[in-house]
Amino acid sequence: EAGVAQSPRYKIIEKRQSVAFWCNPISGHATLYWYQQILGQGPKLLIQFQNNGVVDDSQLPKDRFSAERLKGVDSTLKIQPAKLEDSAVYLCASSFGTANEKLFFGSGTQLSVL
Amino acid sequence: GESVGLHLPTLSVQEGDNSIINCAYSNSASDYFIWYKQESGKGPQFIIDIRSNMDKRQGQRVTVLLNKTVKHLSLQIAATQPGDSAVYFCAEKSAGTASKLTFGTGTRLQVTL
Repeated sequence: EAGVAQSPRYKIIEKRQSVAFWCNPISGHATLYWYQQILGQGPKLLIQFQNNGVVDDSQLPKDRFSAERLKGVDSTLKIQPAKLEDSAVYLCASSFGTANEKLFFGSGTQLSVL
Repeated sequence: GESVGLHLPTLSVQEGDNSIINCAYSNSASDYFIWYKQESGKGPQFIIDIRSNMDKRQGQRVTVLLNKTVKHLSLQIAATQPGDSAVYFCAEKSAGTASKLTFGTGTRLQVTL
């Protein structure tokens, strides 16, 4: 079974530029999550989708971050404009059910904002 | 708000010994707990999970112990191998689909030869 796919693996941009990350979850997984992981910390949930609907985006900085999952499968996360403090690893995860349990993570996109 | 934390940020263990990684949680309503292993440059990898109606659960070379009285969770790794070197995270959530997983800050396990 293929795991969660993410791209790109690395991205370096200057502040105020925009960037987008892509995620393809495990086939059949209804729930998709985007997490932000700052160096030395545990992952923090940004947004959660169930199929193509948003379940929780309470910790998403909506003035600069946006995400979509148009057809209930793959998803994109965008930052515009980026700030220095956005430097982090952006992890995508998926789960079969909707109970926020047993998440499977991708390898992440390491973003550096200069 | 409620949080999940770890007692030791770094644990050094000799190859072949058993490792014990500890985790304290503060939310008395937590009913699901999970351990992840994260190697450098990779995403968190599921190790084992446990519900609050259990005290112990075993997997391959790993055991999770849950003490609800003192709100403590531990991950035991038997016969630690160099490949076990990684950062280990515990996470917890309360009952219900609205509750989300809250991760601790992680413990780095270093396996020495």
